[in-house]
Amino acid sequence: DVKVTQSSRYLVKRTGEKVFLECVQDMDHENMFWYRQDPGLGLRLIYFSYDVKMKEKGDIPEGYSVSREKKERFSLILESASTNQTSMYLCASSLPGTGIYEQYFGPGTRLTVT
Amino acid sequence: GQSLEQPSEVTAVEGAIVQINCTYQTSGFYGLSWYQQHDGGAPTFLSYNALDGLEETGRFSSFLSRSDSYGYLLLQELQMKDSASYFCAVRAVNNAGNMLTFGGGTRLMVKP
Repeated sequence: DVKVTQSSRYLVKRTGEKVFLECVQDMDHENMFWYRQDPGLGLRLIYFSYDVKMKEKGDIPEGYSVSREKKERFSLILESASTNQTSMYLCASSLPGTGIYEQYFGPGTRLTVT
Repeated sequence: GQSLEQPSEVTAVEGAIVQINCTYQTSGFYGLSWYQQHDGGAPTFLSYNALDGLEETGRFSSFLSRSDSYGYLLLQELQMKDSASYFCAVRAVNNAGNMLTFGGGTRLMVKP
Protein backbone atom coordinates (compact mmCIF):
# COMPACT_ATOMS: atom_id res chain seq x y z
CA ASP A 1 0.00 0.00 0.00
CA VAL A 2 1.28 3.42 -0.95
CA LYS A 3 1.61 5.72 1.96
CA VAL A 4 2.06 9.45 1.75
CA THR A 5 2.51 11.25 5.03
CA GLN A 6 2.56 14.94 5.82
CA SER A 7 4.28 16.43 8.83
CA SER A 8 1.27 18.18 10.36
CA ARG A 9 -2.52 17.98 10.05
CA TYR A 10 -3.04 21.48 11.40
CA LEU A 11 -0.67 24.43 11.52
CA VAL A 12 -1.14 28.01 12.67
CA LYS A 13 1.47 30.58 11.71
CA ARG A 14 1.81 34.33 11.85
CA THR A 15 2.12 36.63 8.86
CA GLY A 16 5.72 36.94 7.74
CA GLU A 17 6.88 33.63 9.23
CA LYS A 18 8.79 31.10 7.15
CA VAL A 19 6.78 27.88 6.97
CA PHE A 20 7.97 24.40 6.08
CA LEU A 21 5.56 21.64 5.06
CA GLU A 22 7.08 18.19 4.77
CA CYS A 23 5.88 15.23 2.72
CA VAL A 24 7.24 11.70 2.66
CA GLN A 25 6.22 8.79 0.43
CA ASP A 26 7.27 5.18 0.85
CA MET A 27 6.69 3.73 -2.63
CA ASP A 28 9.78 4.93 -4.45
CA HIS A 29 7.69 7.17 -6.71
CA GLU A 30 9.56 9.49 -9.07
CA ASN A 31 6.89 12.19 -9.17
CA MET A 32 5.84 14.30 -6.22
CA PHE A 33 3.38 17.19 -6.15
CA TRP A 34 2.19 19.99 -3.91
CA TYR A 35 -1.38 21.27 -4.29
CA ARG A 36 -3.51 23.70 -2.41
CA GLN A 37 -7.23 23.14 -2.10
CA ASP A 38 -9.73 25.93 -1.60
CA PRO A 39 -13.54 25.62 -1.68
CA GLY A 40 -14.92 25.75 -5.23
CA LEU A 41 -11.47 25.95 -6.79
CA GLY A 42 -10.55 22.29 -6.73
CA LEU A 43 -6.91 21.35 -6.40
CA ARG A 44 -4.39 23.76 -7.82
CA LEU A 45 -0.84 22.66 -8.48
CA ILE A 46 1.87 24.72 -6.81
CA TYR A 47 5.01 22.77 -7.75
CA PHE A 48 5.96 19.29 -8.79
CA SER A 49 9.15 17.29 -8.97
CA TYR A 50 9.94 14.39 -11.28
CA ASP A 51 13.32 13.53 -9.78
CA VAL A 52 15.63 14.41 -6.94
CA LYS A 53 16.69 18.06 -7.10
CA MET A 54 14.36 18.64 -10.07
CA LYS A 55 11.32 20.88 -9.83
CA GLU A 56 8.78 22.46 -12.12
CA LYS A 57 6.36 25.29 -11.46
CA GLY A 58 2.69 24.51 -11.42
CA ASP A 59 -0.17 26.92 -11.88
CA ILE A 60 0.31 29.00 -8.71
CA PRO A 61 4.00 28.99 -7.64
CA GLU A 62 4.16 32.61 -6.46
CA GLY A 63 5.08 32.90 -2.79
CA TYR A 64 6.23 29.27 -2.59
CA SER A 65 9.41 27.28 -3.11
CA VAL A 66 10.18 23.60 -2.87
CA SER A 67 13.03 21.27 -2.07
CA ARG A 68 13.65 17.67 -2.99
CA GLU A 69 16.95 16.42 -1.67
CA LYS A 70 15.89 12.78 -1.35
CA LYS A 71 13.56 10.78 -3.55
CA GLU A 72 11.06 10.07 -0.80
CA ARG A 73 10.81 13.61 0.59
CA PHE A 74 9.35 16.77 -0.93
CA SER A 75 9.15 19.99 1.06
CA LEU A 76 7.03 23.06 0.44
CA ILE A 77 8.33 26.35 1.78
CA LEU A 78 6.39 29.53 2.30
CA GLU A 79 9.12 32.14 2.42
CA SER A 80 7.01 34.77 4.15
CA ALA A 81 3.55 33.54 5.01
CA SER A 82 0.60 35.74 4.17
CA THR A 83 -3.07 35.47 5.09
CA ASN A 84 -4.02 34.58 1.51
CA GLN A 85 -1.96 31.41 1.90
CA THR A 86 -4.41 30.10 4.48
CA SER A 87 -5.54 26.88 2.83
CA MET A 88 -5.46 23.08 2.80
CA TYR A 89 -2.17 21.81 1.39
CA LEU A 90 -2.05 18.37 -0.17
CA CYS A 91 1.01 16.40 -1.17
CA ALA A 92 0.83 13.60 -3.74
CA SER A 93 3.13 11.13 -5.45
CA SER A 94 2.94 8.99 -8.56
CA LEU A 95 4.88 6.85 -10.95
CA PRO A 96 6.18 8.60 -14.09
CA GLY A 97 4.52 8.62 -17.53
CA THR A 98 0.91 7.45 -17.47
CA GLY A 99 1.30 6.86 -13.75
CA ILE A 100 0.54 10.54 -13.38
CA TYR A 101 -3.18 9.80 -13.76
CA GLU A 102 -3.11 7.82 -10.52
CA GLN A 103 -1.75 10.07 -7.83
CA TYR A 104 -1.60 9.06 -4.18
CA PHE A 105 -2.42 11.83 -1.76
CA GLY A 106 -1.41 12.52 1.81
CA PRO A 107 -3.98 13.50 4.46
CA GLY A 108 -3.34 17.21 4.00
CA THR A 109 -2.14 20.07 6.19
CA ARG A 110 -4.63 22.77 7.06
CA LEU A 111 -2.58 25.93 7.38
CA THR A 112 -3.96 29.06 8.98
CA VAL A 113 -1.95 32.28 8.69
CA THR A 114 -3.01 35.00 11.13
CA GLY B 1 -4.06 26.85 -20.22
CA GLN B 2 -6.77 24.40 -19.38
CA SER B 3 -10.24 24.87 -17.96
CA LEU B 4 -12.65 22.25 -16.68
CA GLU B 5 -16.31 22.60 -15.81
CA GLN B 6 -18.33 20.30 -13.63
CA PRO B 7 -21.53 20.90 -11.64
CA SER B 8 -20.93 22.13 -8.11
CA GLU B 9 -23.56 19.92 -6.51
CA VAL B 10 -25.63 16.86 -7.34
CA THR B 11 -28.23 15.14 -5.16
CA ALA B 12 -29.51 11.59 -5.66
CA VAL B 13 -31.35 8.87 -3.79
CA GLU B 14 -29.82 5.70 -2.41
CA GLY B 15 -29.98 2.90 -4.98
CA ALA B 16 -30.27 5.29 -7.93
CA ILE B 17 -27.83 6.07 -10.76
CA VAL B 18 -26.11 9.43 -11.02
CA GLN B 19 -23.93 10.94 -13.75
CA ILE B 20 -21.37 13.66 -13.04
CA ASN B 21 -20.33 15.54 -16.16
CA CYS B 22 -17.03 17.21 -16.95
CA THR B 23 -16.28 19.39 -19.95
CA TYR B 24 -12.78 20.62 -20.63
CA GLN B 25 -10.97 23.10 -22.79
CA THR B 26 -7.33 22.54 -23.55
CA SER B 27 -5.00 23.11 -26.46
CA GLY B 28 -3.89 19.50 -26.26
CA PHE B 29 -5.20 16.45 -24.49
CA TYR B 30 -3.80 13.19 -23.18
CA GLY B 31 -6.46 11.88 -20.84
CA LEU B 32 -9.01 12.42 -18.09
CA SER B 33 -8.91 11.15 -14.49
CA TRP B 34 -11.53 11.00 -11.75
CA TYR B 35 -10.96 11.28 -8.01
CA GLN B 36 -13.20 10.90 -4.97
CA GLN B 37 -12.75 12.87 -1.76
CA HIS B 38 -14.76 12.37 1.40
CA ASP B 39 -15.07 15.27 3.81
CA GLY B 40 -11.86 15.56 5.81
CA GLY B 41 -10.17 12.92 3.71
CA ALA B 42 -7.58 12.77 0.96
CA PRO B 43 -8.53 12.50 -2.72
CA THR B 44 -8.40 8.93 -3.96
CA PHE B 45 -8.04 7.81 -7.56
CA LEU B 46 -11.09 6.23 -9.22
CA SER B 47 -10.35 5.88 -12.93
CA TYR B 48 -8.87 7.38 -16.04
CA ASN B 49 -9.69 7.45 -19.75
CA ALA B 50 -7.16 8.11 -22.47
CA LEU B 51 -9.31 6.77 -25.29
CA ASP B 52 -12.96 7.31 -26.21
CA GLY B 53 -15.46 5.01 -24.62
CA LEU B 54 -16.57 3.60 -21.32
CA GLU B 55 -14.34 2.17 -18.60
CA GLU B 56 -16.11 0.14 -15.93
CA THR B 57 -14.85 -0.57 -12.43
CA GLY B 58 -17.51 -2.16 -10.28
CA ARG B 59 -20.33 0.28 -9.57
CA PHE B 60 -18.36 3.15 -11.10
CA SER B 61 -17.87 3.81 -14.81
CA SER B 62 -16.12 6.64 -16.60
CA PHE B 63 -16.75 7.79 -20.15
CA LEU B 64 -14.75 9.98 -22.51
CA SER B 65 -15.55 11.64 -25.83
CA ARG B 66 -12.45 13.39 -27.12
CA SER B 67 -14.31 14.95 -30.06
CA ASP B 68 -16.77 16.59 -27.65
CA SER B 69 -14.15 17.44 -24.98
CA TYR B 70 -16.47 15.77 -22.53
CA GLY B 71 -16.45 13.02 -20.00
CA TYR B 72 -18.60 11.74 -17.20
CA LEU B 73 -18.46 9.57 -14.12
CA LEU B 74 -21.40 7.21 -13.67
CA LEU B 75 -22.20 5.85 -10.23
CA GLN B 76 -24.68 2.99 -10.04
CA GLU B 77 -26.56 1.49 -7.10
CA LEU B 78 -25.77 4.53 -5.03
CA GLN B 79 -24.89 3.98 -1.41
CA MET B 80 -24.77 6.50 1.43
CA LYS B 81 -20.99 6.11 1.54
CA ASP B 82 -20.80 7.53 -2.01
CA SER B 83 -21.60 10.97 -0.56
CA ALA B 84 -18.37 12.80 -1.33
CA SER B 85 -16.81 15.30 -3.72
CA TYR B 86 -15.76 14.10 -7.15
CA PHE B 87 -13.07 15.79 -9.23
CA CYS B 88 -12.21 15.39 -12.88
CA ALA B 89 -8.65 16.16 -13.95
CA VAL B 90 -7.00 16.45 -17.36
CA ARG B 91 -3.51 15.68 -18.48
CA ALA B 92 -2.70 18.03 -21.34
CA VAL B 93 -0.02 18.47 -23.98
CA ASN B 94 0.52 22.14 -23.22
CA ASN B 95 1.95 21.38 -19.79
CA ALA B 96 4.25 18.73 -21.27
CA GLY B 97 1.88 16.11 -19.92
CA ASN B 98 3.64 16.30 -16.59
CA MET B 99 0.74 17.44 -14.51
CA LEU B 100 -2.98 17.10 -13.96
CA THR B 101 -5.29 20.10 -13.91
CA PHE B 102 -8.30 19.55 -11.65
CA GLY B 103 -11.85 20.81 -11.93
CA GLY B 104 -13.58 22.57 -9.07
CA GLY B 105 -15.29 19.39 -7.89
CA THR B 106 -18.87 18.12 -7.67
CA ARG B 107 -20.34 17.51 -4.24
CA LEU B 108 -22.61 14.46 -4.37
CA MET B 109 -25.21 14.07 -1.64
CA VAL B 110 -26.92 10.69 -1.42
CA LYS B 111 -30.22 10.72 0.45
CA PRO B 112 -32.01 7.72 1.94
